[in-house]
Amino acid sequence: DADVTQTPRNRITKTGKRIMLECSQTKGHDRMYWYRQDPGLGLRLIYYSFDVKDINKGEISDGYSVSRQAQAKFSLSLESAIPNQTALYFCATSPRANSPLHFGNGTRLTVT
Amino acid sequence: EDQVTQSPEALRLQEGESSSLNCSYTVSGLRGLFWYRQDPGKGPEFLFTLYSAGEEKEKERLKATLTKKESFLHITAPKPEDSATYLCAVQAYSGGYQKVTFGTGTKLQVIP
Repeated sequence: DADVTQTPRNRITKTGKRIMLECSQTKGHDRMYWYRQDPGLGLRLIYYSFDVKDINKGEISDGYSVSRQAQAKFSLSLESAIPNQTALYFCATSPRANSPLHFGNGTRLTVT
Repeated sequence: EDQVTQSPEALRLQEGESSSLNCSYTVSGLRGLFWYRQDPGKGPEFLFTLYSAGEEKEKERLKATLTKKESFLHITAPKPEDSATYLCAVQAYSGGYQKVTFGTGTKLQVIP
């Protein structure tokens, strides 16, 4: 079983729709992150959370929001999807600063 | 601004043909350099962490090294199963938190 599980794996939605991507982890890590990956741009940080009450914007948070429902669950929402949000989205966890990230297998989102 | 540049973008090797991947970085206050492997349709998988210049880490056919300006991932006698995209990331203290900046990766293909 995957330690970091993302659902759905694939999603096609229309412009203007609100959608939620979900992430759950069994690693027991306090720190959770949402990244997006685009060809030629690498992985970019959207939001991060160091515990349930601590949520912070990353470098590209506009158009996104998050919810940390529990230590193990971190959801990403697109309030009104637009085509340039078409990308591969990854959730990641880490136990502490200076430690490597543990990634889920991603959600491929297409906004038409 | 922190920058990470990986080269080459793509590399095609014959099985057994050793080579190196490069990761050049510009960052203030490096806290760690990470190498990840990413297979198609999956999230990045952690390989190595390097913390200071001169440090080396090895795992099977892979060896990572670090200087003050760049890191190399040496692949000795690669096999087809080493085919993947290799990502480099640097972690530095920026704007009140430990920011991770990813390179865009080197796509490695090993031909039997």
